[in-house]
Amino acid sequence: GQQVMQIPQYQHVQEGEDFTTYCNSSTTLSNIQWYKQRPGGHPVFLIQLVKSGEVKKQKRLTFQFGEAKKNSSLHITATQTTDVGTYFCAGNSGAGSYQLTFGKGTKLSVIP
Amino acid sequence: EAQVTQNPRYLITVTGKKLTVTCSQNMNHEYMSWYRQDPGLGLRQIYYSMNVEVTDKGDVPEGYKVSRKEKRNFPLILESPSPNQTSLYFCASASGINTDTQYFGPGTRLTVL
Repeated sequence: GQQVMQIPQYQHVQEGEDFTTYCNSSTTLSNIQWYKQRPGGHPVFLIQLVKSGEVKKQKRLTFQFGEAKKNSSLHITATQTTDVGTYFCAGNSGAGSYQLTFGKGTKLSVIP
Repeated sequence: EAQVTQNPRYLITVTGKKLTVTCSQNMNHEYMSWYRQDPGLGLRQIYYSMNVEVTDKGDVPEGYKVSRKEKRNFPLILESPSPNQTSLYFCASASGINTDTQYFGPGTRLTVL
């Protein structure tokens, strides 16, 4: 079945440093979604990417979808303590299915 | 307020005692889904439903049942719970296929002794 690998598993950064997490799918995706989960909370939807090579920005967050629609990245510029949490990608293979396969997540710690 | 609600939020039970975790959404969403979250394994989809009376298996459906008799409700049923079903469970909903926002419920922490 479809697999989504996400790296790194953990990332510790100094406040103000940049952060990037990467996702790679074993199959071509119809779309990829990104979520953030704060400690003790539930996943919160951040964005969905659909088009090959798509780049979307949300303030300090930049999301990219690879040309082959098999990989994606989330980049945070100048991290803040409010960015702390686990970031997940989730891939959908499409073909009329809404089966979502999540990566295992990247846990971000920000040192003030 | 648009929301997904789950009940109970916490549950401790014993092996083999049937239980149901309820999920309800007030956004008239067609799509609903159940996930379990385990340390080191991330979120894994159990079942999902595209509409009333339409359900499909996710990645880890074994040991679970679901039903979708009404649009707003999507209960998760464990007929004979086992300790390996101890987990944090999330219900989620979205307006349809390939739509943007999937809303998650607050989670149900289940312990099976």
